[in-house]
Amino acid sequence: GQQLNQSPQSMFIQEGEDVSMNCTSSSIFNTWLWYKQDPGEGPVLLIALYKAGELTSNGRLTAQFGITRKDSFLNISASIPSDVGIYFCAGQLPSAGGTSYGKLTFGQGTILTVHP
Amino acid sequence: KAGVTQTPRYLIKTRGQQVTLSCSPISGHRSVSWYQQTPGQGLQFLFEYFSETQRNKGNFPGRFSGRQFSNSRSEMNVSTLELGDSALYLCASSPIGTGQETQYFGPGTRLLVL
Repeated sequence: GQQLNQSPQSMFIQEGEDVSMNCTSSSIFNTWLWYKQDPGEGPVLLIALYKAGELTSNGRLTAQFGITRKDSFLNISASIPSDVGIYFCAGQLPSAGGTSYGKLTFGQGTILTVHP
Repeated sequence: KAGVTQTPRYLIKTRGQQVTLSCSPISGHRSVSWYQQTPGQGLQFLFEYFSETQRNKGNFPGRFSGRQFSNSRSEMNVSTLELGDSALYLCASSPIGTGQETQYFGPGTRLLVL
């Protein structure tokens, strides 16, 4: 099956530092998504990317859709304690019927710990 | 607008039993997807339903099944439970005209199989 390699698996940083994580795949994706999951909750969508080369920001978060369509990265600038959580990338494959309703494949997640 | 709700939130079963989990999507959403989340395998897609029809399916054995009702509420069933089925089961719904790329997740049902 399709696999996404997400790295790093975990990060321990000081408040105020910048963070970078990425995902790579052997497959081409139509869409790249980045989620954050807090303990006891479901993932929440942070950023969605729809075109190769696209660079999108959401506050202190910036994500890019790689030009090969096989990778994406997420940057968090000036981290704060509430950034703690698990960050997931997800790629959406083209569906067999050519619609946008392809299924998602998730990375293994990056566990982020921020020390005050 | 209320978010995606899942019931029950926690469940303990024994091997060989079967279990049914319920998901109520956000009002107006017609697509519902189910995922299994475990520490070892991460988030894995189970299936997606739209207008009472299965639109996508992951690579899980036939013991895992689902259905969707006319009000878009969905249930998933796992028969003959195995220890490895212990996981957080997440449901997500998407607005009309979109797919999994715009989904909103519920808090999940944590299943423990003893």
